[in-house]
Amino acid sequence: SAVISQKPSRDICQRGTSLTIQCQVDSQVTMMFWYRQQPGQSLTLIATANQGSEATYESGFVIDKFPISRPNLTFSTLTVSNMSPEDSSIYLCSVDPGTGAYEQYFGPGTRLTVT
Amino acid sequence: QQPVQSPQAVILREGEDAVINCSSSKALYSVHWYRQKHGEAPVFLMILLKGGEQKGHDKISASFNEKKQQSSLYLTASQLSYSGTYFCGTPWEGTSYGKLTFGQGTILTVHP
Repeated sequence: SAVISQKPSRDICQRGTSLTIQCQVDSQVTMMFWYRQQPGQSLTLIATANQGSEATYESGFVIDKFPISRPNLTFSTLTVSNMSPEDSSIYLCSVDPGTGAYEQYFGPGTRLTVT
Repeated sequence: QQPVQSPQAVILREGEDAVINCSSSKALYSVHWYRQKHGEAPVFLMILLKGGEQKGHDKISASFNEKKQQSSLYLTASQLSYSGTYFCGTPWEGTSYGKLTFGQGTILTVHP
């Protein structure tokens, strides 16, 4: 398995500002994903962040709004830019450890509230 | 295309059984099951692979019908700790892993 930590665990931000969320994994992983979970909803994939390549964004998500960095195999950041109340969600990173078992593990999430 | 889960919610007494279904409109190579407790991250339960065997995890097991493009999660003799929201996730077409599309979730509540 993989142990994943995220910072911050929660934050309250004003509209128009930006927040950078960090995701740290205790082992090297190739595949890392960022998801959004709006209150009471399912998980929606924002983007795939593989080391050494540009992040791949899903429909409805753009790089200008959610820039992602993946500087190495254990770390990634997601920035939520120019925030609005609609961005209030839980943001989770997940990894596939690449063991061949196809399991994915999630970080504890960052609970973001935009006022 | 998001998989569809049913039922949306289940209420049980301890010791009762439950079945949660997950259906997809596209061909599936695998189905992943997760449980999320309130305020916590989703926790991986098991993965069902195309052509693979039925899986089990304690008293939770699952099946995968490739032809019907659906999976079912069976919770036997439920315990209070089983309460939470269960999600099925299906990977991108043609793969068994990687980015997942999740169903809308099934809320399971187990009462003493």
